[in-house]
Amino acid sequence: AQSVTQLDSQVPVFEEAPVELRCNYSSSVSVYLFWYVQYPNQGLQLLLKYLSGSTLVKGINGFEAEFNKSQTSFHLRKPSVHISDTAEYFCAVNTGGFKTIFGAGTRLFVKA
Amino acid sequence: GAVVSQHPSWVICKSGTSVKIECRSLDFQATTMFWYRQFPKQSLMLMATSNEGSKATYEQGVEKDKFLINHASLTLSTLTVTSAHPEDSSFYICSASDNSEAFFGQGTRLTVV
Repeated sequence: AQSVTQLDSQVPVFEEAPVELRCNYSSSVSVYLFWYVQYPNQGLQLLLKYLSGSTLVKGINGFEAEFNKSQTSFHLRKPSVHISDTAEYFCAVNTGGFKTIFGAGTRLFVKA
Repeated sequence: GAVVSQHPSWVICKSGTSVKIECRSLDFQATTMFWYRQFPKQSLMLMATSNEGSKATYEQGVEKDKFLINHASLTLSTLTVTSAHPEDSSFYICSASDNSEAFFGQGTRLTVV
């Protein structure tokens, strides 16, 4: 079975500061990894995904993530955040059957 | 990317009534669709896997008689919440795969009063 652990439930950060949202996964088989963002009262928007190839994945809105197989991690980073990045971020995995398992979510709160 | 459309985006219903939520893949065929539920300030929990032309597969703890799923075509799956109660109030999201990745609908906010 697969599982996803997001290590921080909330991350407060000042505007223009860098941020890292941590995600660790557990799986006995190869997985695909995703980060989604959810704004209040809205659905999910895909930020980026790792399927194969380069372990550094660049996504939308200036976000990037690095797949680390040895540490089973897929941390999300942004060098300089904006107020508009305030949202809930979900790390997720699936094994190709496209049944997606989500982490508990990390609330990113960007302060002016 | 592919588009998944959910309807309605929000619905308010009286306790004891039934509500149907539609999930459509607009520009691709989806043999399999998934239904998730999200309670306030919580993550998305998989409820069931909807398979075209066959019975849905429900996750442990999800009442199949309460959450009826019909996947009648390769582009449409429906979730019917039967005899809804206030504790069924939640955000319901579907996803569909085009065999390359999963795409999510925009969700349906259900409020049972």
